[in-house]
Amino acid sequence: EDKVVQSPLSLVVHEGDTVTLNCSYEVTNFRSLLWYKQEKKAPTFLFMLTSSGIEKKSGRLSSILDKKELFSILNITATQTGDSAVYLCAVGHYFGNEKLTFGTGTRLTIIP
Amino acid sequence: DTGVSQDPRHKITKRGQNVTFRCDPISEHNRLYWYRQTLGQGPEFLTYFQNEAQLEKSRLLSDRFSAERPKGSFSTLEIQRTEQGDSAMYLCASSLGGLAGEKKTQYFGPGTRLLVL
Repeated sequence: EDKVVQSPLSLVVHEGDTVTLNCSYEVTNFRSLLWYKQEKKAPTFLFMLTSSGIEKKSGRLSSILDKKELFSILNITATQTGDSAVYLCAVGHYFGNEKLTFGTGTRLTIIP
Repeated sequence: DTGVSQDPRHKITKRGQNVTFRCDPISEHNRLYWYRQTLGQGPEFLTYFQNEAQLEKSRLLSDRFSAERPKGSFSTLEIQRTEQGDSAMYLCASSLGGLAGEKKTQYFGPGTRLLVL
């Protein structure tokens, strides 16, 4: 059975800290790994990773994928209160529908 | 707003009633997905359309659930004889199939939160 595991489940840090969120996976027909940010509504897309070792960056957020060890990390530097959210990791599958298999998410809380 | 839209945003119903949700995808997207998310969990795949064809259904989708996308644009998800275990957020997503890279990313709507009493 396909499995995506995120850690930690929750994290509380002070504004300005740097955080690292982890995602490991065991899935069939891996095609891509995606990170989404979810506040009290729809998940919003952050990154799609398909190749190992290539870092993707967007402002204070960055992510990298290791296809040999089957994991990805999401880094957020100089955290702000607006970064408080649930961060979801999902794996996209080859062949056909390319449905997403999600982890349970990491709930990040930034204290001012 | 050209994003994915869903209606209603909230629905409260009594056990045994039927409910129907609507999703309007991003206009040029040919793929449409339904997911269900319960508290503290990530979204779980329910079903998928490419244009008007429903190409896959999860085993999570019992016989009480039916989805349609009659003209390859908007989609409806109907739950018959609702049960308390159906209480969840129902998320719709759309994407452009057949392309490479981030162009095929799934974009999510705001969801319909269902509460079955």
